[in-house]
Amino acid sequence: EAGVAQSPRYKIIEKRQSVAFWCNPISGHATLYWYQQILGQGPKLLIQFQNNGVVDDSQLPKDRFSAERLKGVDSTLKIQPAKLEDSAVYLCASSREGRQGAHSPLHFGNGTRLTVT
Amino acid sequence: AQSVTQLDSHVSVSEGTPVLLRCNYSSSYSPSLFWYVQHPNKGLQLLLKYTSAATLVKGINGFEAEFKKSETSFHLTKPSAHMSDAAEYFCVVSEPGYSSASKIIFGSGTRLSIRP
Repeated sequence: EAGVAQSPRYKIIEKRQSVAFWCNPISGHATLYWYQQILGQGPKLLIQFQNNGVVDDSQLPKDRFSAERLKGVDSTLKIQPAKLEDSAVYLCASSREGRQGAHSPLHFGNGTRLTVT
Repeated sequence: AQSVTQLDSHVSVSEGTPVLLRCNYSSSYSPSLFWYVQHPNKGLQLLLKYTSAATLVKGINGFEAEFKKSETSFHLTKPSAHMSDAAEYFCVVSEPGYSSASKIIFGSGTRLSIRP
């Protein structure tokens, strides 16, 4: 099966500019995640979608970050305006997420490395 | 509330010697536990998973992990390290979401270095 696709691979912007990342999950995967991974740290969940509904966005800085998952397939994550501390790798993951109570492993894309100058 | 602690931020071993990466967790429910590996400039890849079946779980590339409920541990081991094992390793705990999707928490990671 094709893996999780993310673009762009790298992005450099100046602070206060805006940026958008795109993710195409594995076909048939109901759950989609966006993680932020700052250098030297583990991934931190930003937002989790189940189909096209938001399940958890408690750690999403909603004053500057937004995400959507149209039609329950592709997703975009936007930052506007960017700050220096947003420099990180943004990882998209998807899972099959079967019956309630079960958990399927996450499948990750290669990420987008964002540098804010 | 669930949490996961990776006890070592960096482990260095000689090629051909055993690898031990330690992970402790806390969970209110019966969790699923995973180990992921991340090579430089790559996405995360699943190494192995525990989902309430056998407590000794075998994964890819010769890695295995043992779920010990009494010790709330899920340590990752490999009998003989290879240079290609050098990477960042993440322990992950997942609780079932009976009213919503699962909650997934990552550890802070352990960087594994292999000496020739």
